[in-house]
Amino acid sequence: DADVTQTPRNRITKTGKRIMLECSQTKGHDRMYWYRQDPGLGLRLIYYSFDVKDINKGEISDGYSVSRQAQAKFSLSLESAIPNQTALYFCATSDLTTSETQYFGPGTRLLVL
Amino acid sequence: SQQGEEDPQALSIQEGENATMNCSYKTSINNLQWYRQNSGRGLVHLILIRSNEREKHSGRLRVTLDTSKKSSSLLITASRAADTASYFCATDYGGATNKLIFGTGTLLAVQP
Repeated sequence: DADVTQTPRNRITKTGKRIMLECSQTKGHDRMYWYRQDPGLGLRLIYYSFDVKDINKGEISDGYSVSRQAQAKFSLSLESAIPNQTALYFCATSDLTTSETQYFGPGTRLLVL
Repeated sequence: SQQGEEDPQALSIQEGENATMNCSYKTSINNLQWYRQNSGRGLVHLILIRSNEREKHSGRLRVTLDTSKKSSSLLITASRAADTASYFCATDYGGATNKLIFGTGTLLAVQP
């Protein structure tokens, strides 16, 4: 089984709808991240969390919110989706006590019409 | 933006040839990492080089770091068709955050 899972894998939604992307991990890591990837721009950080009570904004947090429901779960919400939020979204985890490496989920492809 | 830049943006080579891709960044770093992404999939960590290291090897991968030029290179030797993917550098600027700043990526195509 994959260590970092994301649901859904693909999602089509309409402008103005609220949607939630979910991330779960079985690695036992304390740190979790949400990124978006757009063609030609690499990955950009949306939000990150060091533990359940710690949430931090990343480079491009406007229009997004997150919830860290448990150490293993980190959800990303688009309160009112807009077409320029069409992108590939990745969740990642890390554990600084062992390595600076981040471990990525398979991604969620989101299309906002 | 602190985002790093990679060049070339795209690279096409024949199987057996070596592939070199470069990454430049803007401020002092704690470490620099290289990741690989197969089309539409998640990123996979390849190798990490710390700011006090100049060269590191892992199998067919060789990474160099020149902190005076704020640049790194990734060399893949004896490339295979299965190496076809996008490669990203990511810089860790240190501190307690472990935030990574990703480059724009190099798309490598290895022709059989």
